[in-house]
Amino acid sequence: EVQLQQSGAELVRPGTSVKLSCKVSGDTITAYYMHFVKQRPGQGLEWIGRIDPEDDSTKYAEKFKNKATLTADTSSNTAYLKLSSLTSEDTATYFCTTESVNYGGSSFGYWGQGVMVTVSS
Amino acid sequence: DTVLTQSPALAVSPGERVTISCRASESVSTLMHWYQQKPGQQPTLLIYLASNLESGVPARFSGSGSGTDFTLTIDPVEADDTATYYCQQSWNDWTFGGGTKLELK
Repeated sequence: EVQLQQSGAELVRPGTSVKLSCKVSGDTITAYYMHFVKQRPGQGLEWIGRIDPEDDSTKYAEKFKNKATLTADTSSNTAYLKLSSLTSEDTATYFCTTESVNYGGSSFGYWGQGVMVTVSS
Repeated sequence: DTVLTQSPALAVSPGERVTISCRASESVSTLMHWYQQKPGQQPTLLIYLASNLESGVPARFSGSGSGTDFTLTIDPVEADDTATYYCQQSWNDWTFGGGTKLELK
């Protein structure tokens, strides 16, 4: 069974950065494209971006191009999301999720439990 | 961006049939997917490519549509279906609809 384990909740200061991790178990990370999704409290889902762990190629939603950086480490089966220049607008739950390379037509099949990031001084 | 529009909320009685609609601002072919999210939980995939039932999802859930208009149907609705339902397109990168909150009477 594929599982995605995300790192713990973060309380961070405005203007700083935070790096979130998402470890894949039960399969190799290279069987998937890894995506991250943002959900502000009481709000809907926003796609942030995608990384292909096979070649580290990335794609970002326009509004996150100067905010988010996706990386992956195939040796540890882990994907990372770094958020920079944090403001209160970045306070949200961040989910990692998988897009299978060969199943599901670009849908998101597996999800992490989500990690709450709170930006506050 | 491809904008997806969903009605914000619905209320139905257990045992009834409910349809949740999603309209895209441009054609997305059949690259439309549906997710269920219960409070405090991560989303789960219900339907992929407009009409394909994800493994393990009850057959009470079904999807239809192509182009710009899509529907998720739950028949019959059960108490456990109380949740927010999101459509998502993957024709032009990925975007989500605003979600439809389903409440049971």
